[in-house]
Amino acid sequence: GAVVSQHPSWVICKSGTSVKIECRSLDFQATTMFWYRQFPKQSLMLMATSNEGSKATYEQGVEKDKFLINHASLTLSTLTVTSAHPEDSSFYICSAISLIGDRGRQPQHFGDGTRLSIL
Amino acid sequence: GNSVTQMEGPVTLSEEAFLTINCTYTATGYPSLFWYVQYPGEGLQLLLKATKADDKGSNKGFEATYRKETTSFHLEKGSVQVSDSAVYFCALSSAGTGKLIFGQGTTLQVKP
Repeated sequence: GAVVSQHPSWVICKSGTSVKIECRSLDFQATTMFWYRQFPKQSLMLMATSNEGSKATYEQGVEKDKFLINHASLTLSTLTVTSAHPEDSSFYICSAISLIGDRGRQPQHFGDGTRLSIL
Repeated sequence: GNSVTQMEGPVTLSEEAFLTINCTYTATGYPSLFWYVQYPGEGLQLLLKATKADDKGSNKGFEATYRKETTSFHLEKGSVQVSDSAVYFCALSSAGTGKLIFGQGTTLQVKP
């Protein structure tokens, strides 16, 4: 149980294009989803917290106009990297917390990540 | 603020050796503690968790005990396998928000 699907797993695109990444909780409802960025051989950096039906909360230093987050339902959040440039190339990972229980005690369930390469 | 510190890696062991990866934390209140594992090119998988002091989390032969007196959550396994080679992350969760604070990760390499 508690499966999170992330799509696509790998994308290569030209500089200046926008890329949308989807994060779905397949077998549970998630009030809260998180988006992370991971650089090679480093830990995860939290970018934003996404709550269903409300605006995302971005961490300090993350450009909200560059990284658009939409959490339209209890099972889907999307991250759109707008006007992507080579410096946006990275591994992006989403996670979700179940609707049921104390958010502080529930584990986050992670997707398999999206490798984004901007040429 | 809250923080998590893990032992530096990489850790290289022979198959069937005993594993310890140290993790200590700083936090206000009573956080929940987690160990996640990341295999190359993949996302993170929950390995085990503990939500209160003296709880022991265990899974797939791995164990960790929530020690409030030493603010630690060390990961142990009695006999590692080559398939355990991965990056291990210790993390704490702040009450209410669900946000995770990760340690820097420890790479484990197990040789046959």
